[in-house]
This record gives sequence, C-alpha cells and structure tokens, in this order.
Amino acid sequence: KAGVTQTPRYLIKTRGQQVTLSCSPISGHRSVSWYQQTPGQGLQFLFEYFSETQRNKGNFPGRFSGRQFSNSRSEMNVSTLELGDSALYLCASSLDRGLGGANVLTFGAGSRLTVL
Amino acid sequence: SQKIEQNSEALNIQEGKTATLTCNYTNYSPAYLQWYRQDPGRGPVFLLLIRENEKEKRKERLKVTFDTTLKQSLFHITASQPADSATYLCAWGNDMRFGAGTRLTVKP
Repeated sequence: KAGVTQTPRYLIKTRGQQVTLSCSPISGHRSVSWYQQTPGQGLQFLFEYFSETQRNKGNFPGRFSGRQFSNSRSEMNVSTLELGDSALYLCASSLDRGLGGANVLTFGAGSRLTVL
Repeated sequence: SQKIEQNSEALNIQEGKTATLTCNYTNYSPAYLQWYRQDPGRGPVFLLLIRENEKEKRKERLKVTFDTTLKQSLFHITASQPADSATYLCAWGNDMRFGAGTRLTVKP
C-alpha cells in the first residue's frame, strides 16, 4: 500500500512569507502528526490531528497551524516565516491508538523548507 | 518536568560488535517506549515497541529492554554491520515525543 506522501519535497521561501505543506496519510490511518526537525533541536512535535480535530499540540508559536480534512489528509501552515523556521518538516500517520494504546508512526519523506 | 534522554550523541563501533544505545527518562513513567531508525534526509522508521510490563523484545538482530527500576531502555544491535549506520531515536508518550537520537557508525 502507498506510504505517507508529503508535498512539496523542497521549497525555498523568504522571510515574512507563508507556506503550506501537505500530507496524505496511509489509507485507513486517521491520526496525522507533524514534526519539525533541525540539526540543533532534533525532532520536535508540532501537533497531532485525529478526525479533523487537533488532539495534541507542541510548544510552538501560533504562526504554526494545521488542519485535517475529512479524508484524513492534513496540511500545516507557517505564517510570517523566520530564518529559524528552516527545517525538515515531517508528517507521520498512525491508526487510532485507542485508550492507552501505542501510537506507532509511519513517516513521510518530509518537506525541506529553506527560509532566506 | 518530564524528561527523556539518549545518553550518546554519537557511537562508533567495529563491524561484528554489539551496539548498545540508551534511553533514560525522569519524572515520567511511560507505558511504553518505541525505537526508530532514521537515515539522512529520510523520515524515521519504526523498529520496536516495548511496554512497561515487558522486560525484553527481540526482532532479528535487534533487542530492546525496559527497566522501570533504572528508568531506562536499552537498544542492542548484535553482529552490527555498516548498513546499520544511522541515527536511532527513542520515543514515548501519547503525543510521541522523540529523544535527540544517537548517531551510530559501524566501521568495516
């Protein structure tokens, strides 16, 4: 079956612009999580969506937002881009874990954002 | 505050040896821990999950242990190969937080 698909794979923006990244989860997976990865900070949790609702949120400013559609596809948006937003943005999908269940993630290849 | 750490940023070993990576946690009692492998420019790939009531889990040359007394999980790769060179990450929690990772290099 198809894996997690992220688009675009690479993009370059300038400070102050905004960007939208897209993620198509594995068919049947209803949870989508987003992460930011930088060399200095490692893999940082942004947010998780399930059934079109944000279920968990990391410690990022309000410039970072996301949404999930009824078909489980998700988008994340970063507004007013800063140089420090340059990173690899990873999306991961999983089956609904249920209460107390484990959330095993399948990651996409990521979208590499460069802010100039 | 809750904290989980991987004790080494990098680990270099000789081919054929056993690599042992550590994940320590404080102020937190995870119900389970997961280990992932990440190659450069790619997303992490799930390897193993161990629950708090399990002492050990194995998958081929991989073994993970979970010691709730020491608050530690150990990840072992036996008979290591250069192809095992990658960054290994531990993860925990319902919202899946990741440790900083250990970059393993296996030298031929």
